Amino acid sequence: SQTIHQWPATLVQPVGSPLSLECTVEGTSNPNLYWYRQAAGRGLQLLFYSVGIGQISSEVPQNLSASRPQDRQFILSSKKLLLSDSGFYLCAWSRTREPPYEQYFGPGTRLTVT
Amino acid sequence: LAKTTQPISMDSYEGQEVNITCSHNNIATNDYITWYQQFPSQGPRFIIQGYKTKVTNEVASLFIPADRKSSTLSLPRVSLSDTAVYYCLVYSSASKIIFGSGTRLSIRP
Repeated sequence: SQTIHQWPATLVQPVGSPLSLECTVEGTSNPNLYWYRQAAGRGLQLLFYSVGIGQISSEVPQNLSASRPQDRQFILSSKKLLLSDSGFYLCAWSRTREPPYEQYFGPGTRLTVT
Repeated sequence: LAKTTQPISMDSYEGQEVNITCSHNNIATNDYITWYQQFPSQGPRFIIQGYKTKVTNEVASLFIPADRKSSTLSLPRVSLSDTAVYYCLVYSSASKIIFGSGTRLSIRP
């Protein structure tokens, strides 16, 4: 069976500090990978998606970046956090070849920038 | 990408059938209609997906008219545990999946 991991679960960081969130998937190969952010009481905002190693598409211009160094590893980074980066960060994966392209989400990381 | 419009919130009572309608006027020929459920502090969970007519699984039914410009998620005999946010999405590939604001469903005793 497939499993998706995210860490850390919670994080409190000061403004201007760097960020690294990691997501790994087990039990599947060549998945599509996604990073979403959710502000309190709001919907999910797609930040990045990846269809393969080293292939990253950015949806929202911002101070965040993403990398996919391995097939089942997806990393979200920032060099300097802003207050507006606070939120609930969710990693997800999906199969790629045919519908329903169902997405499976990780447990999330709640980030508070102070 | 097709944009979806759904009610911001809905209220109902335990044991009732709940229908949440989603509008997607610009749906493309290859797009599928998909619904997710999200509980607080959790990622969304896939509920159901359809292309046309009616789809039913163990938790919900999805009704899609012939023009496919709208769809209705039907939850039979809801319980308190169905209180959640429900998202309607339309997409045709796994490369870019965008969530809207969703419908916040509150179930009362």
